[in-house]
Amino acid sequence: KAGVTQTPRYLIKTRGQQVTLSCSPISGHRSVSWYQQTPGQGLQFLFEYFSETQRNKGNFPGRFSGRQFSNSRSEMNVSTLELGDSALYLCASSTGQAYTEAFFGQGTRLTVV
Amino acid sequence: DQQVKQNSPSLSVQEGRISILNCDYTNSMFDYFLWYKKYPAEGPTFLISISSIKDKNEDGRFTVFLNKSAKHLSLHIVPSQPGDSAVYFCAASATYNNDMRFGAGTRLTVKP
Repeated sequence: KAGVTQTPRYLIKTRGQQVTLSCSPISGHRSVSWYQQTPGQGLQFLFEYFSETQRNKGNFPGRFSGRQFSNSRSEMNVSTLELGDSALYLCASSTGQAYTEAFFGQGTRLTVV
Repeated sequence: DQQVKQNSPSLSVQEGRISILNCDYTNSMFDYFLWYKKYPAEGPTFLISISSIKDKNEDGRFTVFLNKSAKHLSLHIVPSQPGDSAVYFCAASATYNNDMRFGAGTRLTVKP
């Protein structure tokens, strides 16, 4: 079956702009989590959506938001971009059940100039 | 908010020897632990996991050990191969709410 698809793969934006990233999870998976990867910081948790509801949230400012649609596809939005937002954004999909692993997409590389 | 810590940013071992990657966590609600491997330009891929009711899980060359009292887990790779060279992420999950957190990663280099 198809894996986790993230679009676009690469993005260059200017400070102050906003951006929307998309994630299509594995068919049948109802949980989508978003992570930010920066050098030295590892994978920092942004938020998790399950059945269209935000179930968990990390410690990121309100400029970072997300949503999940009825088909489990998810979008992440970052408003008023800052240079420090440059990172690899990874989406992970899972069934949302206990004791199961998450499957990652290839990520979207966002560069803010 | 570093609930999962990997204190060694890098590790270098010789091919055929054992690689030991370590991970510590602080949240006592975590009860499911995973290791992921990541190659450049790819997303992390699942490697092995362990639930808190066990202290060891083995899958081929990979073994994960869990010490709940110390809030510590480790990944052993025996024997190490050059293809194992990658960044390894430790993850911990609280299964009651599916909250999964990752460490900063350890870059493993296996030298031929």
